[in-house]
Amino acid sequence: AQSVSQHNHHVILSEAASLELGCNYSYGGTVNLFWYVQYPGQHLQLLLKYFSGDPLVKGIKGFEAEFIKSKFSFNLRKPSVQWSDTAEYFCAVNQISSGSARQLTFGSGTQLTVLP
Amino acid sequence: EAGVAQSPRYKIIEKRQSVAFWCNPISGHATLYWYQQILGQGPKLLIQFQNNGVVDDSQLPKDRFSAERLKGVDSTLKIQPAKLEDSAVYLCASSTDSNQPQHFGDGTRLSIL
Repeated sequence: AQSVSQHNHHVILSEAASLELGCNYSYGGTVNLFWYVQYPGQHLQLLLKYFSGDPLVKGIKGFEAEFIKSKFSFNLRKPSVQWSDTAEYFCAVNQISSGSARQLTFGSGTQLTVLP
Repeated sequence: EAGVAQSPRYKIIEKRQSVAFWCNPISGHATLYWYQQILGQGPKLLIQFQNNGVVDDSQLPKDRFSAERLKGVDSTLKIQPAKLEDSAVYLCASSTDSNQPQHFGDGTRLSIL
């Protein structure tokens, strides 16, 4: 079964610090990759996605992620975090089989706390 | 665009009781998903519908969980009888098709006493 690992359970940063959240997955075939964010009291929202093409994808609010196929990784980055980025971040992976996306598997999440 | 609607937001029941959750997906979204999110974990897929047919229910505990999407729009998820380990947030999501990103509802937080 496919698995998704997020390396950090809780990250605490000061405003303006740079952010990198790790994500690794186990499936060796074609994948779609996602980062979702859940702000306090809100529902899960799509931050960015990778389906194909340029492995460096840009999302909303200045976030970006890089797909490195050889490392089975899809790390999330932001050069300068803000207090409003405080949220829980989930990496998620679809296996692609016969042209269709299969079960979306989520990592366990990383709680980011940004101190003002 | 209206989002995915779920109700109730919170539910507290005793073990061995039954409970049902309701989901109304975004209009026009053919694919509907139910997830279980236990505290400290990521969402886990329970069942996926394409219109009114089941695509994947491999992780649904079928001895106690059931779900339906009779007219291909709204869906209900039922647990009967509930166990203590069913305490979780139950999320509904929808997408235009299985290859597109999913849109999530606010979830139903279920507590089993």
